[in-house]
Amino acid sequence: DTGVSQNPRHKITKRGQNVTFRCDPISEHNRLYWYRQTLGQGPEFLTYFQNEAQLEKSRLLSDRFSAERPKGSFSTLEIQRTEQGDSAMYLCASSPGQGGANVLTFGAGSRLTVL
Amino acid sequence: DQQVKQNSPSLSVQEGRISILNCDYTNSMFDYFLWYKKYPAEGPTFLISISSIKDKNEDGRFTVFLNKSAKHLSLHIVPSQPGDSAVYFCAASKDSGYALNFGKGTSLLVTP
Repeated sequence: DTGVSQNPRHKITKRGQNVTFRCDPISEHNRLYWYRQTLGQGPEFLTYFQNEAQLEKSRLLSDRFSAERPKGSFSTLEIQRTEQGDSAMYLCASSPGQGGANVLTFGAGSRLTVL
Repeated sequence: DQQVKQNSPSLSVQEGRISILNCDYTNSMFDYFLWYKKYPAEGPTFLISISSIKDKNEDGRFTVFLNKSAKHLSLHIVPSQPGDSAVYFCAASKDSGYALNFGKGTSLLVTP
């Protein structure tokens, strides 16, 4: 098991462009989460999936953001018409979704720089 | 609205001494509390957790204490080692079905 994999690791784009990030979770995990982290802050929840169903979205997730998990395996996070304020580390995590503490396993993140 | 607060942005401790990292929360519905450790250029890594029915959980050098009445938890690292130098995040959730809420983190530096 290679853990949670995220691609690309770093994306530099110009304001107004669209970007897409991909996350491959741990294969037996049925829950997948997207978080955003900016400098000096902790990870902020964006959205999560139980299998292919998107169960919760944060109010941080504006209309320009869309996430999918079409077959309950990998997930994509797309940001349309990027703004400089979108510059952040986008973290993906997965968890088994069973009882007890919800231990998330994080990927290394995808860093977005919007010029 | 920050429901999980880590009021110390940084902490410096000598090797071999105890490191104590603190965390406060405001939501009385939180059932589970976790600590994550993060090195630069890596994602956060799970360290230790505690449920609201306990007041202490220990794993090797790491112990988490929970004071529900004060809505406060702390992470103790004894003895501290230089490899413990990292950013530590406190996180909480209502139960296993909910996403984690994170604090802003405390940067720990353990000096030789």
